[in-house]
Amino acid sequence: EAQVTQNPRYLITVTGKKLTVTCSQNMNHEYMSWYRQDPGLGLRQIYYSMNVEVTDKGDVPEGYKVSRKEKRNFPLILESPSPNQTSLYFCASRRPGANQPQHFGDGTRLSIL
Amino acid sequence: AQSVTQLGSHVSVSEGALVLLRCNYSSSVPPYLFWYVQYPNQGLQLLLKYTSAATLVKGINGFEAEFKKSETSFHLTKPSAHMSDAAEYFCAVKPQSTGNQFYFGTGTSLTVIP
Repeated sequence: EAQVTQNPRYLITVTGKKLTVTCSQNMNHEYMSWYRQDPGLGLRQIYYSMNVEVTDKGDVPEGYKVSRKEKRNFPLILESPSPNQTSLYFCASRRPGANQPQHFGDGTRLSIL
Repeated sequence: AQSVTQLGSHVSVSEGALVLLRCNYSSSVPPYLFWYVQYPNQGLQLLLKYTSAATLVKGINGFEAEFKKSETSFHLTKPSAHMSDAAEYFCAVKPQSTGNQFYFGTGTSLTVIP
């Protein structure tokens, strides 16, 4: 089954404790993205990648890091999480081509105390 | 940067009534346009996309959307609402430039009243 898998689905942690949210897709997609979803703000793009070792900032990259060492994986790293990063996070992947839609994971709900 | 406006953060309709969810974009060059639906505790699923082939686009579950360049709009409609349509709906825009940047509206929560 074609899918984007995120782990963990839920995480409660404390300020300053480094964490990684993993994302893996089995569709051989070149493009991947991370978003955060906040009430009243919709989805905002954090980082995106257009291929292995090619990443770029989205609209809200501050406080986040990403890496793309393999085509299928695109982890999101919070080196020193803060409470304002409490949010619902989505990973997405798609084929190249401007009209290609994104395929989304089921989300990771992150709470930082 | 692009902006996407979804008028009405909450819309309520009766079962069987017309559904109309509004989306306007800001660019002078028509972008690629998408509607996604999000059910509780799930990721976003594609409903339909506009790719310049036709101004009226049909999607899944009986939804359709019409692209109007003069109004910079891409409103989503369904002739007859069903209880299962209750969800959050997002309009998304991809500028015609290359890259992987997408811009989403703030979402519209649809309630269907029996």
